[in-house]
Amino acid sequence: DAGVIQSPRHEVTEMGQEVTLRCKPISGHDYLFWYRQTMMRGLELLIYFNNNVPIDDSGMPEDRFSAKMPNASFSTLKIQPSEPRDSAVYFCASSNRDQETQYFGPGTRLLVL
Amino acid sequence: QKEVEQNSGPLSVPEGAIASLNCTYSDRGSQSFFWYRQYSGKSPELIMFIYSNGDKEDGRFTAQLNKASQYVSLLIRDSQPSDSATYLCAVRGAQKLVFGQGTRLTINP
Repeated sequence: DAGVIQSPRHEVTEMGQEVTLRCKPISGHDYLFWYRQTMMRGLELLIYFNNNVPIDDSGMPEDRFSAKMPNASFSTLKIQPSEPRDSAVYFCASSNRDQETQYFGPGTRLLVL
Repeated sequence: QKEVEQNSGPLSVPEGAIASLNCTYSDRGSQSFFWYRQYSGKSPELIMFIYSNGDKEDGRFTAQLNKASQYVSLLIRDSQPSDSATYLCAVRGAQKLVFGQGTRLTINP
């Protein structure tokens, strides 16, 4: 199994630009999670999906953030417009129906200048 | 009060000693408890989970849970330099996993 795949691994962009992060979960997993990790706030859950449907987006910081899961093998997290305070590592994770064991992708390191 | 609290460290332990990592949580209804390890620049990986009060052992790792005190701990016996990492405590509430800030552990040769 290839594990959770994320792209890009690194992204440097300028303030105001649109950023799109991508995730391919482990095949057969029903749950997909997007997290953000910073030194100040630690690992925060942004949103999670069950069977491609968003279940809880209460962690999404503001309207500039949006996430979609058009099918079971692909999800995107979009930031538009990006701001320097969005700089962080964004992780995607997936799990099977028990939600217990989450497998994390390698993360996308985002730097907004 | 944060939902899941950990001492951020750093915690420094000599090689071969026992490392003890602690975590407290605020939601009394929590049912599942996890320890993840995160090496610098890498993603978190699950090392142990525990559901019931008491101890659970897996190799050199022992997770301890006390629901009455809302306390979870992780013991690492015979600590190795390769155990140097940040350890994240995670607690499953009604719907989702909530992570603590993590404790940075350094094992000194």
